[in-house]
Amino acid sequence: GESVGLHLPTLSVQEGDNSIINCAYSNSASDYFIWYKQESGKGPQFIIDIRSNMDKRQGQRVTVLLNKTVKHLSLQIAATQPGDSAVYFCAERSNQGGKLIFGQGTELSVKP
Amino acid sequence: GAGVSQSPSNKVTEKGKDVELRCDPISGHTALYWYRQSLGQGLEFLIYFQGNSAPDKSGLPSDRFSAERTGGSVSTLTIQRTQQEDSAVYLCASSSGVGFGQPQHFGDGTRLSIL
Repeated sequence: GESVGLHLPTLSVQEGDNSIINCAYSNSASDYFIWYKQESGKGPQFIIDIRSNMDKRQGQRVTVLLNKTVKHLSLQIAATQPGDSAVYFCAERSNQGGKLIFGQGTELSVKP
Repeated sequence: GAGVSQSPSNKVTEKGKDVELRCDPISGHTALYWYRQSLGQGLEFLIYFQGNSAPDKSGLPSDRFSAERTGGSVSTLTIQRTQQEDSAVYLCASSSGVGFGQPQHFGDGTRLSIL
């Protein structure tokens, strides 16, 4: 069946370093992918999205890379800050409509 | 502007009782979604409404779960005869459409605990 998963459940980085969070997906027909940040007790917050016909997209301090050959998605955060500490989810949009299929999440911990 | 609002924020009820969870989407958003998040897990799709189209109910886990959206705005998720495995955070999201650049925006959820 369809699934989106993450390689690492936890990631610890030093403040100021760059962070890379990885995600694997299985549905080659998905048309776009999204990264969310979720802080404790809050709902997921949209970070950035990318269409399946793109390889890279940049936002403010974040970059998403899509490698369709190996069905791999990554989120890069530049100059990681303590406020970036949260759980990060990748999600793919099913080609059957608007519903999202979420991965399990990676917990990012930023050490000051 | 106002985001997605969900109520109640917490709900504790006894096994076998019915519960209703409410979602107020962002004004003007035509698409509304319900997801469920168990402790330490990712989000699981439940149901999706888009405009006047028939809802996509493919994620509802059993016939005890139902949802409606009145007037194209507020939505209510109802769980009948609750069971302990229904304990989770129920998240609602809305979007202005389903195209690229129209991401889903989430509320902070209702934390449901079944005793």
